[in-house]
Amino acid sequence: GQQLNQSPQSMFIQEGEDVSMNCTSSSIFNTWLWYKQDPGEGPVLLIALYKAGELTSNGRLTAQFGITRKDSFLNISASIPSDVGIYFCAGPMTTDSWGKLQFGAGTQVVVTP
Amino acid sequence: DAGVIQSPRHEVTEMGQEVTLRCKPISGHNSLFWYRQTMMRGLELLIYFNNNVPIDDSGMPEDRFSAKMPNASFSTLKIQPSEPRDSAVYFCASSLGSNTGELFFGEGSRLTVL
Repeated sequence: GQQLNQSPQSMFIQEGEDVSMNCTSSSIFNTWLWYKQDPGEGPVLLIALYKAGELTSNGRLTAQFGITRKDSFLNISASIPSDVGIYFCAGPMTTDSWGKLQFGAGTQVVVTP
Repeated sequence: DAGVIQSPRHEVTEMGQEVTLRCKPISGHNSLFWYRQTMMRGLELLIYFNNNVPIDDSGMPEDRFSAKMPNASFSTLKIQPSEPRDSAVYFCASSLGSNTGELFFGEGSRLTVL
């Protein structure tokens, strides 16, 4: 089946620094999604990408859907303490149910003042 | 607006006991998903429903797990009998069923089986 490889596994950064993480797949995805999970909470959708090559921003977040459709990256600019959490990439396992998502292992982000 | 509501938030039980987790999806959402999160395996889809009908339960680990959705506003995930390896955070999520991939997750039920 499809596998999502997410890196890095964790990042320790100082407030104000930029953060970059990526996700690669062994198979083609038609949609890439980036979720964030705060401690003790469920994941929340940050950005959705639906087209190869698409570059989408949401505030300080920017994500791109790779041209090969097998990868995606997420950047966070000028990190702040509330950026702490686990960031997951995800993609639909099938085209008949877009909620049947496969998730990457996550990138844990720790922001120090 | 209320989000996805799960209960209990935490449950500690002994091996062999029956566990029932509950979920109330967002009103108007027609798809409901049960995910399990562990350190070793990450987020895994267990089962999902469309319009209260189970569509795919291929992620359910074994016969000890069962899920029901008797109506559009309620679903249960039951484990009987429970085992220590079932310890995990169980998330319920709902969506409008549109092709956006946006799931709305509850806060999760943390299960510990001793």
